[in-house]
Amino acid sequence: QKEVEQNSGPLSVPEGAIASLNCTYSDRGSQSFFWYRQYSGKSPELIMFIYSNGDKEDGRFTAQLNKASQYVSLLIRDSQPSDSATYLCAASSTSGTYKYIFGTGTRLKVLA
Amino acid sequence: DTGVSQNPRHKITKRGQNVTFRCDPISEHNRLYWYRQTLGQGPEFLTYFQNEAQLEKSRLLSDRFSAERPKGSFSTLEIQRTEQGDSAMYLCASSIGTQPQHFGDGTRLSIL
Repeated sequence: QKEVEQNSGPLSVPEGAIASLNCTYSDRGSQSFFWYRQYSGKSPELIMFIYSNGDKEDGRFTAQLNKASQYVSLLIRDSQPSDSATYLCAASSTSGTYKYIFGTGTRLKVLA
Repeated sequence: DTGVSQNPRHKITKRGQNVTFRCDPISEHNRLYWYRQTLGQGPEFLTYFQNEAQLEKSRLLSDRFSAERPKGSFSTLEIQRTEQGDSAMYLCASSIGTQPQHFGDGTRLSIL
């Protein structure tokens, strides 16, 4: 069973701090990785995606990918209370359908 | 781009009844996915359509579940003889090519 693993949290950080969310995946053939934010009772919202080793920055968000270690992370700079949500990591499967394998999500709490 | 639309948003039904959900993807998106999400878990893949062809079905999709995408546009997911364990959020996502999937607001199903 191909898996994506995340620490369920909650991860608590003070307002203005950097939140670091981590994810590991088991399918070495996975090529594409995604971070979704999900507020309670709402659907997942795409935050970042990354295909290549290294860092990808978009505003306050940085996604990091290390394929050798099968590790993906999301950094949120200057965390705000509105960032409090569950962050889902997903890997695109190698089956040709590009279906996503999701982790269970990490709950982030930004304390004002 | 009006986003992925799902109807109804909420469905409450008695055990043993049949239910049908509808998903309207983003107009130019040829790929359409159904996922199911239960509390505290990430979305789990159910089935995938490329245009009108259903190309993959998860083992989670018992014979009580059927999905269609008759003209390669909207899709329906039907659950026959609902059971308590079917209570979940049913999410539809669409994409084009290898672009990230975008999710609809989901249909929350509650079985009494």
